[in-house]
Amino acid sequence: KNQVEQSPQSLIILEGKNCTLQCNYTVSPFSNLRWYKQDTGRGPVSLTIMTFSENTKSNGRYTATLDADTKQSSLHITASQLSDSASYICVVIGLSGGYNKLIFGAGTRLAVHP
Amino acid sequence: GAGVSQTPSNKVTEKGKYVELRCDPISGHTALYWYRQSLGQGPEFLIYFQGTGAADDSGLPNDRFFAVRPEGSVSTLKIQRTERGDSAVYLCASSSGRGGETDTQYFGPGTRLTVL
Repeated sequence: KNQVEQSPQSLIILEGKNCTLQCNYTVSPFSNLRWYKQDTGRGPVSLTIMTFSENTKSNGRYTATLDADTKQSSLHITASQLSDSASYICVVIGLSGGYNKLIFGAGTRLAVHP
Repeated sequence: GAGVSQTPSNKVTEKGKYVELRCDPISGHTALYWYRQSLGQGPEFLIYFQGTGAADDSGLPNDRFFAVRPEGSVSTLKIQRTERGDSAVYLCASSSGRGGETDTQYFGPGTRLTVL
């Protein structure tokens, strides 16, 4: 069964600190992996996209890593800001009938406190 | 439009009633997707349209759920005989439909459905 598991379920950090969120997946066939940010009451927004051949990709203060052999990914946030408070969802894109089928993890709920 | 829009933003209904949720995709996007997100969970796939046709409806939980996209743009998700377990946020997304790793899905803000 295609699954995406994330940890921790929730996380509280102080403003300015760094944090790392984890994602394990068992999706096959695998096209690419994305991390999405979802603010409360909003739809998810894509932060990063990684294919199986990429090990790391950065987008500002967000850095995603991917180990396609162990099927693990992480999202590292540096110098956190209050606006980083949101749910971060790991999404593995599998190929199904010629289109990108998104399989979502349950998300990590991050709270950044002043 | 500038982004994916969904209406209404909130819908409260009584058990057994019929509801319709609307999605306006990004102009020019041929692919449209519906997801359901329960509290504390990630979105779950419901149905995918390419143009006017439902290319994959394997995520619809049962025959009370139905979706249409008659002109290949706006889509309506229809739920008959609603049950309390249908309460969730229903998200719509659209993409160019060209496929490949750059075919990003852009999400709307969702409709929060509450069945009393």
